[in-house]
Amino acid sequence: EILMTQSPATLSVSPGERATLSCRASQSLNTSLAWHQQKPGHGPRLLIYGASTRATGIPTRFSGTGSGTEFTLTISSLLSEDFAVYYCQQYNKWPLTFGGGTTVEIK
Amino acid sequence: QVQLEESGGGLVKPGGSLRLSCEASGFSFSDYYMSWIRQAPGKGLEFISYINDGGNVKWHADSVRGRFTISRDNAKKSLFLQMDNLSAEDTAIYYCARVPNDGNYVIWHFDLWGRGTLARVSA
Repeated sequence: EILMTQSPATLSVSPGERATLSCRASQSLNTSLAWHQQKPGHGPRLLIYGASTRATGIPTRFSGTGSGTEFTLTISSLLSEDFAVYYCQQYNKWPLTFGGGTTVEIK
Repeated sequence: QVQLEESGGGLVKPGGSLRLSCEASGFSFSDYYMSWIRQAPGKGLEFISYINDGGNVKWHADSVRGRFTISRDNAKKSLFLQMDNLSAEDTAIYYCARVPNDGNYVIWHFDLWGRGTLARVSA
């Protein structure tokens, strides 16, 4: 099973600032990596797939980079609605696995 | 409106059963693989089951295999999860999620999620 490690566990950011979230895989994923956003009381929402492709309707302030074992989600200028938990998910090898999440909180 | 809505959660005693449902709307349900993912309190996400578009191929994670069964009714645009012999470790929010495809291949991430339904197992 591929282990997904996200860092930091919590990121404190002021509105308008940039947020950088990391995800590391225990084996190479090529670019089979997705990012999901989850707000309290809601199901997750797909943000990014293929490591860098934004899902339908996702604003351009969200961007994903990386390949192999190291991946990054960047939120260029945080809005109040972006404070949430972010999960990475690999789909290169079975079983599909998720990272433990990064909570982006208001500083 | 494209959405998934789960139901059927509740409080059940250890050893008991629950049947979760997920109703799809706004898209061609029969064209998609569907899955169940759960989230224990304060924990991360665990992919536990999927079913193919026709309903004849199913997979369950080791943690639930032999106790949980996924199924679907394409005519009713509904996905189900029969959960038997439940234990406290099964307490979680259960999400149904859609698995996208490009017309030829399934792409194994999740592009549409429901809000989830809470299953609590406690004496």
